[in-house]
Amino acid sequence: AQRVTQPEKLLSVFKGAPVELKCNYSYSGSPELFWYVQYSRQRLQLLLRHISRESIKGFTADLNKGETSFHLKKPFAQEEDSAMYYCALEFSGGSNYKLTFGKGTLLTVNP
Amino acid sequence: DAGVTQSPTHLIKTRGQHVTLRCSPISGHKSVSWYQQVLGQGPQFIFQYYEKEERGRGNFPDRFSARQFPNYSSELNVNALLLGDSALYLCASSFGLGNQPQHFGDGTRLSIL
Repeated sequence: AQRVTQPEKLLSVFKGAPVELKCNYSYSGSPELFWYVQYSRQRLQLLLRHISRESIKGFTADLNKGETSFHLKKPFAQEEDSAMYYCALEFSGGSNYKLTFGKGTLLTVNP
Repeated sequence: DAGVTQSPTHLIKTRGQHVTLRCSPISGHKSVSWYQQVLGQGPQFIFQYYEKEERGRGNFPDRFSARQFPNYSSELNVNALLLGDSALYLCASSFGLGNQPQHFGDGTRLSIL
């Protein structure tokens, strides 16, 4: 069974400090991983996906298959980064699609 | 484009009743997924439909069912409501299957008394 673990429920950093939101997954196949973000009073939206290998709003995430991790990082946090972040793992095979979310990490960036 | 739209926004039901939630995907999107989100948890996958066929099902009882119409809109039905069904129900649409960004609606807040 696939599982996503986000060990930190809350994370608080100061503006300009580096930030890392942890995500570990459990999955026997080749994972498709995503980070979704929900800003205050906004819809849940895609932040980035590992297959794109792109940097969105200064965030990057590297898939480490050995450690089964997909941590989200940003070198200099901004106040507007304060939001709820969810890591998600997709299984897509025939008629057995499933997208599993972690419980989320609430990031607060203090001025 | 208004994005994914869900109706109603809020709903109050009593135990044992049934409920129908509706979702309209982004124009051009052929896949719709449903999620349940309880307070303090991440969204939990219920169903995915693509081209009117069920393509995925999460660990939910048979009281939960869904369907997708020819215009790609979708309904989620829940029978014999329990107190534990109280949650935010999210709908998401995507263009296709597999490694596609999910575009979420605002959700329907369902309260069971």
